[in-house]
Amino acid sequence: AQSVTQLDSQVPVFEEAPVELRCNYSSSVSVYLFWYVQYPNQGLQLLLKYLSGSTLVKGINGFEAEFNKSQTSFHLRKPSVHISDTAEYFCAVTGSARQLTFGSGTQLTVLP
Amino acid sequence: KAGVTQTPRYLIKTRGQQVTLSCSPISGHRSVSWYQQTPGQGLQFLFEYFSETQRNKGNFPGRFSGRQFSNSRSEMNVSTLELGDSALYLCASSLQPTDYEQYFGPGTRLTVT
Repeated sequence: AQSVTQLDSQVPVFEEAPVELRCNYSSSVSVYLFWYVQYPNQGLQLLLKYLSGSTLVKGINGFEAEFNKSQTSFHLRKPSVHISDTAEYFCAVTGSARQLTFGSGTQLTVLP
Repeated sequence: KAGVTQTPRYLIKTRGQQVTLSCSPISGHRSVSWYQQTPGQGLQFLFEYFSETQRNKGNFPGRFSGRQFSNSRSEMNVSTLELGDSALYLCASSLQPTDYEQYFGPGTRLTVT
């Protein structure tokens, strides 16, 4: 069985400051990792994914994440956030069954 | 290219009724998955369809069912609605079942009173 833990339910940060949203996973098999963003009253948009290869993954809107197998982590980072980044962020894992298992989400609030 | 579309966007039903939600995948996508999102349980996988066949099913009671048509459009049905079925129901599509990248629709907000 797979599981995902997002360590922070809420992260407030000032505009133009850096941010890190933490994600840990557990799985007994090879995993594929994702970060999704959800704006109010909308569906999920894929930010980035790790399937294989380089452990540093770059996504849309200036976000990046690093896959760390030894620490079973896939933290999301952005060096300088904007007001428009305010949203809920979900870390997800999938394996051979392809169904996504999501974390509980992190609400990122960017303050002016 | 148009994204995943879901209809209706909002729905209010009464306990005991049944409901059908519809999902049209991105053109060319043949795999459709459904997820339920609630404040208490978060995002949970319901089922996945490919070529009109259910390939995978999450841990939900039999009241939740779905189907896929030959044009890849999918519907999900919930019978004998309960208050706890109030949720955002999200549909996601991908080219093939072997593709890990899924594209989500805006969801259908179901409220059961």
